[in-house]
Amino acid sequence: SQTIHQWPATLVQPVGSPLSLECTVEGTSNPNLYWYRQAAGRGLQLLFYSVGIGQISSEVPQNLSASRPQDRQFILSSKKLLLSDSGFYLCAWDRDNREQYFGPGTRLTVT
Amino acid sequence: TQLLEQSPQFLSIQEGENLTVYCNSSSVFSSLQWYRQEPGEGPVLLVTVVTGGEVKKLKRLTFQFGDARKDSSLHITAAQPGDTGLYLCAGVTYSGGGADGLTFGKGTHLIIQP
Repeated sequence: SQTIHQWPATLVQPVGSPLSLECTVEGTSNPNLYWYRQAAGRGLQLLFYSVGIGQISSEVPQNLSASRPQDRQFILSSKKLLLSDSGFYLCAWDRDNREQYFGPGTRLTVT
Repeated sequence: TQLLEQSPQFLSIQEGENLTVYCNSSSVFSSLQWYRQEPGEGPVLLVTVVTGGEVKKLKRLTFQFGDARKDSSLHITAAQPGDTGLYLCAGVTYSGGGADGLTFGKGTHLIIQP
């Protein structure tokens, strides 16, 4: 069966510090991978998606970036965090752009 | 950009009551999914509906896809405190180049009070 992992689970970082969130998928190959951000009590905002190694599409211009160094690894990064980057970050995967399966999420607080 | 409107945005009812939440769009979707998300966790897929008019049941939850595949509803019978959560709908559209990915609604916050 497939599983998706995210770490860290929670993170508190000062403004201006760098960020690296990691997502890995097990039990499948060549998945589509997604990063979403969810503000408190709100819906999902798609940040990035990837259909293959090194292929990244950005949905929202911002100070975040994403990379896919391996088939089942997706990384979300920032060189300098802003207060507005606080939120709940979710990684998801799918095989045919239909049903998506989400990781447990990372709660990021920028202070 | 396709938009999915979910209503109501918030709903708080007593245990044992019935409820219906809605997901509406002006766009036609090839399929539609419903997810439930509990605080601090990722959304969990509940069901996928594909055919216009399709009805699927998951214990006390009944999901319906509109005939024109532009809307969907989720009906819960005899709600339980364990049904509390954020319910998200997401639709898939297909263009000539393939699937365009999922479009998510903003969700319905459901609270079932014991």
